[in-house]
Amino acid sequence: DADVTQTPRNRITKTGKRIMLECSQTKGHDRMYWYRQDPGLGLRLIYYSFDVKDINKGEISDGYSVSRQAQAKFSLSLESAIPNQTALYFCATSVTNTNEQFFGPGTRLTVL
Amino acid sequence: GENVEQHPSTLSVQEGDSAVIKCTYSDSASNYFPWYKQELGKRPQLIIDIRSNVGEKKDQRIAVTLNKTAKHFSLHITETQPEDSAVYFCAASSYFNKFYFGSGTKLNVKP
Repeated sequence: DADVTQTPRNRITKTGKRIMLECSQTKGHDRMYWYRQDPGLGLRLIYYSFDVKDINKGEISDGYSVSRQAQAKFSLSLESAIPNQTALYFCATSVTNTNEQFFGPGTRLTVL
Repeated sequence: GENVEQHPSTLSVQEGDSAVIKCTYSDSASNYFPWYKQELGKRPQLIIDIRSNVGEKKDQRIAVTLNKTAKHFSLHITETQPEDSAVYFCAASSYFNKFYFGSGTKLNVKP
C-alpha cells in the first residue's frame, strides 16, 4: 500500500549536534509537511512544501531547515540541536486542493 | 495567523455515554475543519471533516457541527466504546493550505 515513512523512528542525540530526519512517500502526493508534537500543545507546523521548488515556513521554523529533494522526499534538519527540540516529529502529505492529510509514523527525538 | 483552541484537554466518560469536544477558531477565512484521532503510539488519522458551507455532518456514531458566525465547531461521539479512547485533534484550514491544530483532547472511555 502507498504510505508515508519516516527515518529514524527514534533518535537520541546531544546538544549541538546536527540531526536530519527523513520523510519519504509513495502516495504520489505533491504537498508535504513537517509537524512537531508536544504534550498539551497539539501539532505545530514547522515547514511545508507544495512542490519541489516551493518551501514555506510554518509557525515554528526557527532552529529548523528543510530540503525537498524530490516530490517523494522531504527532509527536516536541526543544525544545532537543543534540549527544547525534544519532541515527536511527524511528516504529512496531501494532494493539492483536497482535504485529508496523511501522516507518517513519527520520529521521537530526544536532545540531551 | 489562525488560532485554534480546543476544550476540554481531558474527558472521561462511561461506555455508552456521549462525548463532546469543542474547538474555536479565529480566522474567518478558514473554510475546512477536520478532526483527527490519534491512538497511543500511532499516527493521527482523519475521522471526519466539515466544510464551511455545511452546518453538520454525520458518520455513524460520529458527528461534527459548525457555527461559522460564532467561529466554533464540535465533535460529537455517541454510544462511546472503549476503542474510542484516544487523543482527538481539531484543525482549521483555509483552502487546504496550512492546517492549524488544536491542542488535543484525551478521551478515556471507561468500560
